[in-house]
Amino acid sequence: GENVEQHPSTLSVQEGDSAVIKCTYSDSASNYFPWYKQELGKGPQLIIDIRSNVGEKKDQRIAVTLNKTAKHFSLHITETQPEDSAVYFCAASGEFGNEKLTFGTGTRLTIIP
Amino acid sequence: DSGVTQTPKHLITATGQRVTLRCSPRSGDLSVYWYQQSLDQGLQFLIQYYNGEERAKGNILERFSAQQFPDLHSELNLSSLELGDSALYFCASSVGLIPNTIYFGEGSWLTVV
Repeated sequence: GENVEQHPSTLSVQEGDSAVIKCTYSDSASNYFPWYKQELGKGPQLIIDIRSNVGEKKDQRIAVTLNKTAKHFSLHITETQPEDSAVYFCAASGEFGNEKLTFGTGTRLTIIP
Repeated sequence: DSGVTQTPKHLITATGQRVTLRCSPRSGDLSVYWYQQSLDQGLQFLIQYYNGEERAKGNILERFSAQQFPDLHSELNLSSLELGDSALYFCASSVGLIPNTIYFGEGSWLTVV
């Protein structure tokens, strides 16, 4: 089955700097890659996603890149703000008919004021 | 607010007991997913239902079962509880199957003592 590895497990950056979280996946058939943000005491919330026919996607300060050949994808957060502090999860899912969404182990991001 | 409602929010019970966690998906969503989140295991997929039928199964223990009712709400039944079952249980829903966006509820905290 699919295996998703996520690095780093913890990340601290100064406010205003950029943060990058990386994930690799094992199933070459995977074609959907969402990123979730989980704040303390809350459920994961989708912040951005990308499909395999796209190499990069941006939404304001957040961007995701996908390299299908290398089977890795990354989350980039620019101009970080204190409210970006949370746990971020990457995930991967395969073709239609394989609906299991496999999550990475999470990255605890701390923004230092 | 994702629109996914889970009850109860917190639950403390003794080993050997049985509990039922309830989930109401977002209005119009046909798919319901159950995930288990523990400190050392991240987000583990348990089971998925689509329009009342089991669609996909993950690492769900035989002591656990779930169902989706005609009104599309779902219940996760956990029996013969063990200390290791203590975790945060999330329900999520989506309009259709992946790669439709999955929306998570706030979770049900289960503590087994």
